[in-house]
Amino acid sequence: EDQVTQSPEALRLQEGESSSLNCSYTVSGLRGLFWYRQDPGKGPEFLFTLYSAGEEKEKERLKATLTKKESFLHITAPKPEDSATYLCAVQERGANNLFFGTGTRLTVIP
Amino acid sequence: KAGVTQTPRYLIKTRGQQVTLSCSPISGHRSVSWYQQTPGQGLQFLFEYFSETQRNKGNFPGRFSGRQFSNSRSEMNVSTLELGDSALYLCASSRLAGVDGELFFGEGSRLTVL
Repeated sequence: EDQVTQSPEALRLQEGESSSLNCSYTVSGLRGLFWYRQDPGKGPEFLFTLYSAGEEKEKERLKATLTKKESFLHITAPKPEDSATYLCAVQERGANNLFFGTGTRLTVIP
Repeated sequence: KAGVTQTPRYLIKTRGQQVTLSCSPISGHRSVSWYQQTPGQGLQFLFEYFSETQRNKGNFPGRFSGRQFSNSRSEMNVSTLELGDSALYLCASSRLAGVDGELFFGEGSRLTVL
Protein backbone atom coordinates (compact mmCIF):
# COMPACT_ATOMS: atom_id res chain seq x y z
CA GLU A 1 0.00 0.00 0.00
CA ASP A 2 1.16 3.52 -0.80
CA GLN A 3 2.59 5.41 2.14
CA VAL A 4 3.61 9.03 2.49
CA THR A 5 5.23 10.30 5.67
CA GLN A 6 5.99 13.95 6.22
CA SER A 7 8.31 15.36 8.84
CA PRO A 8 8.37 17.30 10.98
CA GLU A 9 4.67 17.64 11.82
CA ALA A 10 5.23 21.25 12.79
CA LEU A 11 8.10 23.67 12.32
CA ARG A 12 8.64 27.16 13.70
CA LEU A 13 11.23 29.34 12.00
CA GLN A 14 12.44 32.86 12.50
CA GLU A 15 12.08 35.05 9.45
CA GLY A 16 15.14 34.46 7.27
CA GLU A 17 15.99 31.11 8.87
CA SER A 18 16.22 28.55 6.04
CA SER A 19 15.13 24.94 6.54
CA SER A 20 13.81 21.84 4.78
CA LEU A 21 10.66 19.77 4.99
CA ASN A 22 10.83 16.06 4.30
CA CYS A 23 8.46 13.73 2.50
CA SER A 24 9.33 10.04 2.38
CA TYR A 25 7.23 7.74 0.26
CA THR A 26 6.65 4.10 -0.58
CA VAL A 27 4.95 3.26 -3.86
CA SER A 28 5.32 0.35 -6.22
CA GLY A 29 5.99 2.71 -9.11
CA LEU A 30 6.06 6.48 -8.92
CA ARG A 31 4.29 8.45 -11.60
CA GLY A 32 4.63 11.81 -9.87
CA LEU A 33 5.23 13.53 -6.54
CA PHE A 34 3.32 16.70 -5.79
CA TRP A 35 3.72 19.52 -3.30
CA TYR A 36 0.75 21.64 -2.25
CA ARG A 37 0.38 24.55 0.15
CA GLN A 38 -2.73 24.88 2.29
CA ASP A 39 -3.69 28.01 4.22
CA PRO A 40 -6.21 27.81 7.08
CA GLY A 41 -9.77 27.63 5.79
CA LYS A 42 -8.63 27.15 2.20
CA GLY A 43 -8.17 24.27 -0.17
CA PRO A 44 -4.68 23.11 -1.13
CA GLU A 45 -2.83 25.17 -3.74
CA PHE A 46 -0.52 23.46 -6.21
CA LEU A 47 3.19 24.20 -5.95
CA PHE A 48 5.25 21.60 -7.83
CA THR A 49 5.25 18.25 -9.59
CA LEU A 50 8.37 16.08 -9.71
CA TYR A 51 8.53 13.01 -11.91
CA SER A 52 11.97 11.46 -11.61
CA ALA A 53 14.86 11.16 -9.15
CA GLY A 54 17.25 14.06 -9.45
CA GLU A 55 14.62 16.49 -10.65
CA GLU A 56 14.40 19.92 -9.00
CA LYS A 57 11.81 22.68 -9.27
CA GLU A 58 11.99 26.22 -7.88
CA LYS A 59 9.46 28.93 -7.16
CA GLU A 60 10.45 32.08 -5.31
CA ARG A 61 11.86 30.96 -1.92
CA LEU A 62 10.87 27.31 -2.42
CA LYS A 63 12.83 24.53 -4.05
CA ALA A 64 11.62 20.94 -4.29
CA THR A 65 13.93 17.99 -4.92
CA LEU A 66 13.27 14.29 -5.46
CA THR A 67 15.19 11.08 -4.79
CA LYS A 68 14.02 7.50 -5.18
CA LYS A 69 12.63 7.41 -1.64
CA GLU A 70 12.00 10.98 -0.54
CA SER A 71 11.44 14.56 -1.50
CA PHE A 72 12.56 17.73 0.20
CA LEU A 73 10.98 21.14 0.14
CA HIS A 74 13.70 23.67 0.88
CA ILE A 75 12.62 27.07 2.11
CA THR A 76 15.25 29.79 1.77
CA ALA A 77 15.01 32.95 3.89
CA PRO A 78 11.32 32.41 4.68
CA LYS A 79 8.90 35.25 5.32
CA PRO A 80 5.80 35.26 7.56
CA GLU A 81 3.60 34.89 4.48
CA ASP A 82 5.18 31.46 3.89
CA SER A 83 3.37 30.23 7.01
CA ALA A 84 1.02 27.43 5.92
CA THR A 85 0.66 23.68 5.92
CA TYR A 86 2.71 22.03 3.20
CA LEU A 87 1.32 18.80 1.80
CA CYS A 88 3.15 16.14 -0.13
CA ALA A 89 1.28 13.66 -2.33
CA VAL A 90 2.25 10.81 -4.63
CA GLN A 91 0.60 9.33 -7.67
CA GLU A 92 1.31 5.69 -8.33
CA ARG A 93 1.84 4.58 -11.89
CA GLY A 94 -1.52 3.54 -13.35
CA ALA A 95 -3.52 5.32 -10.63
CA ASN A 96 -5.77 8.29 -11.18
CA ASN A 97 -5.64 9.77 -7.70
CA LEU A 98 -3.18 11.27 -5.24
CA PHE A 99 -2.12 9.74 -1.93
CA PHE A 100 -1.42 12.55 0.55
CA GLY A 101 0.76 12.84 3.62
CA THR A 102 -0.61 14.58 6.69
CA GLY A 103 1.46 17.69 6.11
CA THR A 104 3.98 19.93 7.84
CA ARG A 105 2.58 23.00 9.55
CA LEU A 106 5.11 25.81 9.05
CA THR A 107 5.07 28.98 11.13
CA VAL A 108 7.46 31.80 10.27
CA ILE A 109 7.89 34.33 13.05
CA PRO A 110 8.73 37.95 12.16
CA LYS B 1 -11.37 33.02 -14.20
CA ALA B 2 -13.59 31.67 -11.42
CA GLY B 3 -12.11 28.95 -9.26
CA VAL B 4 -13.68 25.75 -7.97
CA THR B 5 -16.84 26.56 -6.05
CA GLN B 6 -18.16 24.33 -3.28
CA THR B 7 -21.46 24.69 -1.48
CA PRO B 8 -22.39 24.77 1.27
CA ARG B 9 -19.22 25.91 3.05
CA TYR B 10 -20.41 24.79 6.48
CA LEU B 11 -23.13 22.47 7.64
CA ILE B 12 -24.18 20.65 10.76
CA LYS B 13 -26.08 17.37 10.67
CA THR B 14 -27.05 14.72 13.17
CA ARG B 15 -26.25 11.03 13.09
CA GLY B 16 -28.41 9.07 10.67
CA GLN B 17 -29.17 12.01 8.41
CA GLN B 18 -27.87 12.36 4.89
CA VAL B 19 -26.06 15.22 3.21
CA THR B 20 -25.43 16.39 -0.34
CA LEU B 21 -22.45 18.56 -1.23
CA SER B 22 -22.02 20.41 -4.50
CA CYS B 23 -18.98 21.29 -6.57
CA SER B 24 -18.73 23.51 -9.64
CA PRO B 25 -15.38 23.04 -11.40
CA ILE B 26 -13.39 25.62 -13.25
CA SER B 27 -14.92 26.36 -16.63
CA GLY B 28 -13.57 23.92 -19.19
CA HIS B 29 -12.49 21.35 -16.61
CA ARG B 30 -14.16 18.00 -17.10
CA SER B 31 -12.63 16.01 -14.25
CA VAL B 32 -13.82 16.37 -10.67
CA SER B 33 -12.28 14.55 -7.72
CA TRP B 34 -13.45 14.48 -4.12
CA TYR B 35 -11.24 14.16 -1.04
CA GLN B 36 -12.02 13.91 2.66
CA GLN B 37 -9.67 15.79 5.00
CA THR B 38 -9.47 15.03 8.73
CA PRO B 39 -6.76 16.05 11.23
CA GLY B 40 -5.61 12.50 11.84
CA GLN B 41 -5.82 11.00 8.35
CA GLY B 42 -5.02 13.96 6.12
CA LEU B 43 -6.57 14.01 2.66
CA GLN B 44 -8.09 10.75 1.52
CA PHE B 45 -9.38 10.12 -1.98
CA LEU B 46 -13.10 9.46 -2.34
CA PHE B 47 -13.79 9.29 -6.08
CA GLU B 48 -13.17 10.88 -9.45
CA TYR B 49 -15.62 11.69 -12.22
CA PHE B 50 -14.88 12.49 -15.83
CA SER B 51 -17.54 13.10 -18.46
CA GLU B 52 -20.28 11.94 -16.08
CA THR B 53 -18.54 8.59 -15.43
CA GLN B 54 -16.94 7.49 -12.20
CA ARG B 55 -13.40 6.54 -13.15
CA ASN B 56 -11.89 5.73 -9.82
CA LYS B 57 -13.08 5.15 -6.26
CA GLY B 58 -11.25 5.24 -2.95
CA ASN B 59 -11.65 2.93 0.01
CA PHE B 60 -14.83 4.35 1.52
CA PRO B 61 -18.09 2.56 2.36
CA GLY B 62 -21.04 2.59 0.00
CA ARG B 63 -22.68 5.33 2.08
CA PHE B 64 -20.47 7.72 0.13
CA SER B 65 -21.63 8.26 -3.42
CA GLY B 66 -21.34 10.85 -6.11
CA ARG B 67 -22.37 11.87 -9.56
CA GLN B 68 -21.42 14.29 -12.28
CA PHE B 69 -23.74 16.20 -14.55
CA SER B 70 -23.35 17.07 -18.22
CA ASN B 71 -22.09 20.55 -17.32
CA SER B 72 -19.30 18.91 -15.25
CA ARG B 73 -20.80 20.01 -11.94
CA SER B 74 -20.59 17.27 -9.36
CA GLU B 75 -22.38 16.29 -6.19
CA MET B 76 -21.43 13.88 -3.47
CA ASN B 77 -23.85 12.32 -1.04
CA VAL B 78 -23.27 10.73 2.33
CA SER B 79 -26.13 8.72 3.74
CA THR B 80 -26.73 7.51 7.30
CA LEU B 81 -24.19 9.94 8.72
CA GLU B 82 -21.83 8.81 11.46
CA LEU B 83 -19.82 10.93 13.90
CA GLY B 84 -16.64 9.92 12.08
CA ASP B 85 -17.89 11.54 8.89
CA SER B 86 -17.16 14.96 10.38
CA ALA B 87 -14.52 16.38 8.08
CA LEU B 88 -13.63 18.92 5.43
CA TYR B 89 -14.75 17.65 2.05
CA LEU B 90 -12.66 19.01 -0.78
CA CYS B 91 -13.44 19.01 -4.44
CA ALA B 92 -10.73 19.38 -7.07
CA SER B 93 -11.00 19.86 -10.79
CA SER B 94 -8.65 19.36 -13.69
CA ARG B 95 -8.95 19.73 -17.42
CA LEU B 96 -8.10 16.13 -18.20
CA ALA B 97 -8.97 12.85 -16.58
CA GLY B 98 -6.82 11.53 -13.81
CA VAL B 99 -3.98 13.51 -12.33
CA ASP B 100 -1.46 14.87 -14.78
CA GLY B 101 0.01 17.83 -12.97
CA GLU B 102 -2.15 20.33 -11.21
CA LEU B 103 -5.39 19.79 -9.36
CA PHE B 104 -7.35 22.94 -8.53
CA PHE B 105 -9.05 22.64 -5.17
CA GLY B 106 -12.08 24.44 -3.83
CA GLU B 107 -12.24 25.80 -0.29
CA GLY B 108 -14.19 22.79 0.91
CA SER B 109 -17.42 22.00 2.70
CA ARG B 110 -16.94 21.54 6.43
CA LEU B 111 -19.37 18.94 7.75
CA THR B 112 -20.00 18.48 11.44
CA VAL B 113 -22.01 15.45 12.54
CA LEU B 114 -23.52 15.62 16.04
